[in-house]
Amino acid sequence: GAVVSQHPSRVICKSGTSVKIECRSLDFQATTMFWYRQFPKQSLMLMATSNEGSKATYEQGVEKDKFLINHASLTLSTLTVTSAHPEDSSFYICSATFAGNQPQHFGDGTRLSIL
Amino acid sequence: DAKTTQPTSMDCAEGRAANLPCNHSTISGNEYVYWYRQIHSQGPQYIIHGLKNNETNEMASLIITEDRKSSTLILPHATLRDTAVYYCIVRAPGNTPLVFGKGTRLSVIA
Repeated sequence: GAVVSQHPSRVICKSGTSVKIECRSLDFQATTMFWYRQFPKQSLMLMATSNEGSKATYEQGVEKDKFLINHASLTLSTLTVTSAHPEDSSFYICSATFAGNQPQHFGDGTRLSIL
Repeated sequence: DAKTTQPTSMDCAEGRAANLPCNHSTISGNEYVYWYRQIHSQGPQYIIHGLKNNETNEMASLIITEDRKSSTLILPHATLRDTAVYYCIVRAPGNTPLVFGKGTRLSVIA
């Protein structure tokens, strides 16, 4: 089946640091990738939709200058959390799809902890 | 907002069938029903999806009512590893995102 790899799986860093998370589709070309955030005991919340070669579309309330998304190729999207603060601590998850009705496949998530 | 309603939690005895219901009374004609599950601290795992016909794969069966307003995910022989949060999601064709509701927390008990 389709595989999506997310790296790193866990990050612990100091407040003010910028953190980059990578999402790769390993065996298919992902025309669209999605980024989600999940707080403890809550469901996944969509942050942004990323299409290869174009600017990401952010959900309401998600700061685009805070969460920089790059989707430069059909197999790689990155999310950079700039100047991270403790309130940005969360579980970040990406997903990818290659065709309209095909299932989205998810990475294993990145647990970000800002001290 | 999620367009589905699911029970908050369910228990199932190991080895028995787990039947997880989902209501999607406002589903549109072109929207598919998707099921995913999330085991603690992992990304969601795709299980199955369908439009109007019943579907079966190696993981589960999906039964969709004729009016498409509800569906049931069936895990035929639940194991302890099936303990997870199960999400029922309706999604239109095209590269639209999955919108997650609260899901059903299934606990499989030995």
